[in-house]
Amino acid sequence: NAGVTQTPKFRVLKTGQSMTLLCAQDMNHEYMYWYRQDPGMGLRLIHYSVGEGTTAKGEVPDGYNVSRLKKQNFLLGLESAAPSQTSVYFCASSPRSWGQYFGPGTRLTVL
Amino acid sequence: GESVGLHLPTLSVQEGDNSIINCAYSNSASDYFIWYKQESGKGPQFIIDIRSNMDKRQGQRVTVLLNKTVKHLSLQIAATQPGDSAVYFCAENPRGDSWGKLQFGAGTQVVVTP
Repeated sequence: NAGVTQTPKFRVLKTGQSMTLLCAQDMNHEYMYWYRQDPGMGLRLIHYSVGEGTTAKGEVPDGYNVSRLKKQNFLLGLESAAPSQTSVYFCASSPRSWGQYFGPGTRLTVL
Repeated sequence: GESVGLHLPTLSVQEGDNSIINCAYSNSASDYFIWYKQESGKGPQFIIDIRSNMDKRQGQRVTVLLNKTVKHLSLQIAATQPGDSAVYFCAENPRGDSWGKLQFGAGTQVVVTP
């Protein structure tokens, strides 16, 4: 099993551009999550999903949208990127409240 | 508000010694805790977890201790190795949150010296 994978690994955007980050898991997990990690800080939850077709806001949802059209995929979108969204983004999946398993991350820079 | 926190931002340990990483939590409603290890440039890696009905849980070279009386969680690493150098996070899941959401602390940097 590949576990949790994320694409792309790196991306540079200009302010106002849009992009989508893809997270895929092959463990048949119900729950999936998107976090951002900034220097010297822990992980902050952006959005999460508890099943196919469902999404919910986390701690820092503004400026992001998500979709979970298939159980194995969770997409994070930035409609109009801002420099404040420069961060490392992590996706995680969970088999229902038994711990989360993380992907390798996407390093995003917004100029 | 209630949060998960760590006592020390950086911990230097000599190779072969035991490491103890501490975590204080203030949310008495939390009933599930996890320790993660994050190496530079990688995603957090699950190390060990513990539920609030336990005081201690052991894994391979790691032990997690939970003291509910003083709301304290610790991770002990036996015979620390260079590969243990990383940032360690504790995380908690509040009781009643059935969606598995975790609240993370800021992390402790562990540096293993030869």
